[in-house]
Amino acid sequence: EAGVTQFPSHSVIEKGQTVTLRCDPISGHDNLYWYRRVMGKEIKFLLHFVKESKQDESGMPNNRFLAERTGGTYSTLKVQPAELEDSGVYFCASSQGGVGVTQYFGPGTRLTVL
Amino acid sequence: AQSVTQLGSHVSVSEGALVLLRCNYSSSVPPYLFWYVQYPNQGLQLLLKYTTGATLVKGINGFEAEFKKSETSFHLTKPSAHMSDAAEYFCAVRKRVMVSNYQLIWGAGTKLIIKP
Repeated sequence: EAGVTQFPSHSVIEKGQTVTLRCDPISGHDNLYWYRRVMGKEIKFLLHFVKESKQDESGMPNNRFLAERTGGTYSTLKVQPAELEDSGVYFCASSQGGVGVTQYFGPGTRLTVL
Repeated sequence: AQSVTQLGSHVSVSEGALVLLRCNYSSSVPPYLFWYVQYPNQGLQLLLKYTTGATLVKGINGFEAEFKKSETSFHLTKPSAHMSDAAEYFCAVRKRVMVSNYQLIWGAGTKLIIKP
């Protein structure tokens, strides 16, 4: 069974540009999470989807970040326009529906904003 | 509010020595606790988790952790370190936001360095 996949693995963009990150969860997992780790800091929650619905987006830093989950399958996280402080590693995780305890993580996307 | 503290951003041990990575948590409800590991250039991998029941939890690669409620701790141990254990280790507690709505609260991570 394929794990959580993320694309791209690395992205280097300039301040003011737009970047879209993609996450494909484990097939059948209703819950999809986005987390971010800024250099040297702890991993922080961004948002949580249940199927196609945003269950909790309390961790989204500001309105430059837009997350979608098309048809309850893959998810995208768009940053527009990107700022220097957006640099970090963006992790996606998925878990089974209901109260699935374990979150399975993807390899992350390392975003560098110059 | 839940929080996690990992003592030591870097821990260095000799190959074959005991590994001890410390994690303390705060939680107003019975916690679900996790240890994840990130090997160089890889994603986060679940090492072990505590939900309910037995307080000594065994994970992959010879790691184990003991939930101690009285000490609010969930320290990770391995009897004998191997070079391949060099990685960054993260402790996390599950936070319930609403019914069926959870997120993970993370510690800052501990980099484990293995000396030959």
